[in-house]
This record gives sequence, C-alpha cells and structure tokens, in this order.
Amino acid sequence: AQSVTQPDIHITVSEGASLELRCNYSYGATPYLFWYVQSPGQGLQLLLKYFSGDTLVQGIKGFEAEFKRSQSSFNLRKPSVHWSDAAEYFCAVGAGATNKLIFGTGTLLAVQP
Amino acid sequence: NAGVTQTPKFRVLKTGQSMTLLCAQDMNHEYMYWYRQDPGMGLRLIHYSVGEGTTAKGEVPDGYNVSRLKKQNFLLGLESAAPSQTSVYFCASSGIRNEQFFGPGTRLTVL
Repeated sequence: AQSVTQPDIHITVSEGASLELRCNYSYGATPYLFWYVQSPGQGLQLLLKYFSGDTLVQGIKGFEAEFKRSQSSFNLRKPSVHWSDAAEYFCAVGAGATNKLIFGTGTLLAVQP
Repeated sequence: NAGVTQTPKFRVLKTGQSMTLLCAQDMNHEYMYWYRQDPGMGLRLIHYSVGEGTTAKGEVPDGYNVSRLKKQNFLLGLESAAPSQTSVYFCASSGIRNEQFFGPGTRLTVL
C-alpha cells in the first residue's frame, strides 16, 4: 500500500539558517510527489511537484526538493529560512488514476529570530 | 477566479444534528475530494468524485455522505453528527496529474 512518512513532527530553525524537511514514500510505480504548506488557519498551498525528468525541482518561495528513487525520498530544502516560513509542511504522493493523494502527517516548522 | 471555496467557514453542532458542507470550484476540474484534518494525523480522505454524478469512498467514509450533482459542486453531509467528527474539513479539486487545489477549510465542532 502507498504511504508517506515524515519522520520529523516538529523542527525549529533560526532565521537565516538552512532547512531540510524529510519525506519518504512507499509506492510501487513511478510516483507523483508534492510538497504543500499550510499556514495557521489556512488551506494548503502547493509549494512544488515532481512528475518526471529532472530530479531537482524548484518551487515557490525559494524552496526546492530532490527526488531520490534509490532512497524513496523527496526531501524539501531551503538555503535560508525567513520568519514567514513558519508553517506546517506536508509531503504527498499521487496514488493512481483517480488523482488521489496520500499525505504524510506533516512537519511543523518554527523559526527563531 | 475564486479557485475552491467552502461554505461555511465555521460551524458548531450538537450531537445528532445534521448539516451539509458545500464546496465549489470554478476551474472546470473533473476530480473533487473531501478531507478531514486532525492534529498529528495529516489529511485523511473521506470521499471523492471522479466526475459529475459519481462518488467513491476514501479512507474514512463512515458517518458521511456526499453528492456531486453538478461538476462544480461537491457536497459533504453529516446525517447525525458525533463529537468524533469535530475536525477541520478541506475540499480540493484536481484537473490533471494529481495536482490538487485546496479550499480554505471549514472548522466544525460537535458538542
């Protein structure tokens, strides 16, 4: 069965520091992979997506993610975090022809001044 | 374009009451979804629809019903609300390649 694991429930980084959020997936075929961000009290906004091709994908707000098939990972990175990046981040894998998504349980990012 | 909208934004129910949540999208998407979000559990799929007039069960369908009479609308119903249905409900729609667009959510409390 398809699944997504985000091993870090909560991460705190200092403003200006680099960030890496981990995501591991289990899926039998070539996956479609996504990262979404949710600010408090808001809906989910798509940060970036991987369908095929270049394994390093760029997204909005300066985020990028790298698909590593051998490690079944799709980690999210940002070289310098801003206070406005404090939010919850969800990794998701696309599952099948019905366009369903399987979500991880999320990583809550706090940014220290 | 408004994207995906949800009505209402907040609601408080008593146990046993019924209600309907409305989701509307203006992107001409075929696929629509209802999720619930609970702390520490991410988003879980309740029901989904692959086109007008069709619906299917997701991961946690019990206690909910849905209808997709028009392509742009997807309704989620609670026939007899229970405290376990206290949650934040999100609707999403999708056109191609699994990319889903989300509404702002409905915060439901069942007393």
